[in-house]
Amino acid sequence: GENVEQHPSTLSVQEGDSAVIKCTYSDSASNYFPWYKQELGKRPQLIIDIRSNVGEKKDQRIAVTLNKTAKHFSLHITETQPEDSAVYFCAASGSARQLTFGSGTQLTVLP
Amino acid sequence: DTEVTQTPKHLVMGMTNKKSLKCEQHMGHRAMYWYKQKAKKPPELMFVYSYEKLSINESVPSRFSPECPNSSLLNLHLHALQPEDSALYLCASSQDSVANQPQHFGDGTRLSIL
Repeated sequence: GENVEQHPSTLSVQEGDSAVIKCTYSDSASNYFPWYKQELGKRPQLIIDIRSNVGEKKDQRIAVTLNKTAKHFSLHITETQPEDSAVYFCAASGSARQLTFGSGTQLTVLP
Repeated sequence: DTEVTQTPKHLVMGMTNKKSLKCEQHMGHRAMYWYKQKAKKPPELMFVYSYEKLSINESVPSRFSPECPNSSLLNLHLHALQPEDSALYLCASSQDSVANQPQHFGDGTRLSIL
């Protein structure tokens, strides 16, 4: 089955700096890669997703890149703000047609 | 605003109780999911319903019993749970269960087993 690895597990950045979270996947048939943000006590919220026919997607301060050859994808957050502090999960949907989540990254933006 | 509504938000029950978790969506989605999430861990898939039929059961113990009365509703019936079942139970929905469909989560039910 699919296996998704996510790094780092914790990340602290100064407000205004950029943050990058990286994920790798194992199933070459995976073709959908969403990113979820989960604030403490809240639901996972879909913030951006990318499909395998696209290499990069951007939405304001958030961007996701996908390298199918290397089987890795990354989340980039620019001009970080304290409200970006949360746990971020990557996920991949492959031949099993279900989402496999990464282990999560606790992002802390320091004011 | 969440488009997937879960009730109750919190539930405390004893190991001999029977209770049910409810989930409702009005987005016309035909796939609905139950996930279990422990603190600081990713959601773990439990069940998938596609067009009101159970399509995936991830080897979940029989003390958890899902039900999909119609395309908008999803229930999870609980009976004789164990303390290790304490967790956040999340419902999600997507347009259908084919890959590439965004899943939208509800706020969850925080379950505590005494």
